[in-house]
Amino acid sequence: AQKVTQAQTEISVVEKEDVTLDCVYETRDTTYYLFWYKQPPSGELVFLIRRNSFDEQNEISGRYSWNFQKSTSSFNFTITASQVVDSAVYFCALSALWAGSYQLTFGKGTKLSVIP
Amino acid sequence: DAGVIQSPRHEVTEMGQEVTLRCKPISGHNSLFWYRQTMMRGLELLIYFNNNVPIDDSGMPEDRFSAKMPNASFSTLKIQPSEPRDSAVYFCASSLAGSGANVLTFGAGSRLTVL
Repeated sequence: AQKVTQAQTEISVVEKEDVTLDCVYETRDTTYYLFWYKQPPSGELVFLIRRNSFDEQNEISGRYSWNFQKSTSSFNFTITASQVVDSAVYFCALSALWAGSYQLTFGKGTKLSVIP
Repeated sequence: DAGVIQSPRHEVTEMGQEVTLRCKPISGHNSLFWYRQTMMRGLELLIYFNNNVPIDDSGMPEDRFSAKMPNASFSTLKIQPSEPRDSAVYFCASSLAGSGANVLTFGAGSRLTVL
């Protein structure tokens, strides 16, 4: 079975603060993929990043960075100098083989509120 | 490309009525997914299709739910009869098939309220 846990249900930060969203996953597969999606108040789900299980190199994209650690089965997401536009629900997701095909399993999401 | 198109965006209906949600995937994508989002259960995969064929419908809650994909550019999710506990946002997503690495592109969602 595969599982994604986002322990932080809601986080509030003041604008310009850094914030880290935690994601812990479980899978028996050695080949898998991890994703982060953003769901702004408008409701659509927007893809942010994908990592495969063989690439533990951390990634930075502007104010966003991701820390993938297989040893702790974590794929954490950090927003530096947060802005009000970052307010959204963020979902971590895992794609791994299940019953012969890949399935994307989402965590419950972390609601981030950035206060001006 | 216009992205994944879902209709209706909002639907309010009474218990017992039939509800049909529609989805047009991105042209060239051959996998299509239906998800349901609720506060209590988060995002749940209901069913997905590869090349118009249903691959896994184990997430479909019960026989009141059915999904079809008659061709590569259209899918429906039907609830008959609807119940208040079916109230949720239903997302359709599409991707290129064949790999767990494929990124899903989601539609804007259909918000269903069953009174």
